[in-house]
Amino acid sequence: RKEVEQDPGPFNVPEGATVAFNCTYSNSASQSFFWYRQDCRKEPKLLMSVYSSGNEDGRFTAQLNRASQYISLLIRDSKLSDSATYLCVVFWGGGFKTIFGAGTRLFVKA
Amino acid sequence: NAGVTQTPKFRVLKTGQSMTLLCAQDMNHEYMYWYRQDPGMGLRLIHYSVGEGTTAKGEVPDGYNVSRLKKQNFLLGLESAAPSQTSVYFCASSYGTTNEKLFFGSGTQLSVL
Repeated sequence: RKEVEQDPGPFNVPEGATVAFNCTYSNSASQSFFWYRQDCRKEPKLLMSVYSSGNEDGRFTAQLNRASQYISLLIRDSKLSDSATYLCVVFWGGGFKTIFGAGTRLFVKA
Repeated sequence: NAGVTQTPKFRVLKTGQSMTLLCAQDMNHEYMYWYRQDPGMGLRLIHYSVGEGTTAKGEVPDGYNVSRLKKQNFLLGLESAAPSQTSVYFCASSYGTTNEKLFFGSGTQLSVL
């Protein structure tokens, strides 16, 4: 079993749609959680951190469920510019490990 | 402010050749990392450094060596390239252990024939 698993997609949605991605992780000692965005042939960039209480940044909402060991990302009112690969990232300090999921591809079409 | 700069952006090697990838950051970050990204897989950590003069192995260190002689630079070396090392390589840096944010370079596309 992979340490961080994501549905690879692709998710094809129309503009204005709401789309949700999930990610599961295997290490219960994981400390920090993030969503990164990666455009085609570009470097990953931090989209948002994920907190147990849930957090929102504009059209993006991230949730963490420690009991079930999963993380989610919700995108509302999708824009064409949201088309990208979304990487789930999990970190734990012991052993100094940051684990990246393989990513979920999103295509938003007009 | 350039952030994290990687060179070269593209390289083609023949099996057995050697090369060095250079990563430079101007943010005074303590931590630096080298990752590789392959299709269908997440970024995997090759080596990392927690400060000038220190390096440590990551998840997939075999076939690679690194050096951090200066705080701002982190070099990744391939002594004898193999086709299995065909990949996209990303350098990254961060302030410290909490890994609140990784800053990535733009990547190096390496092909080993």
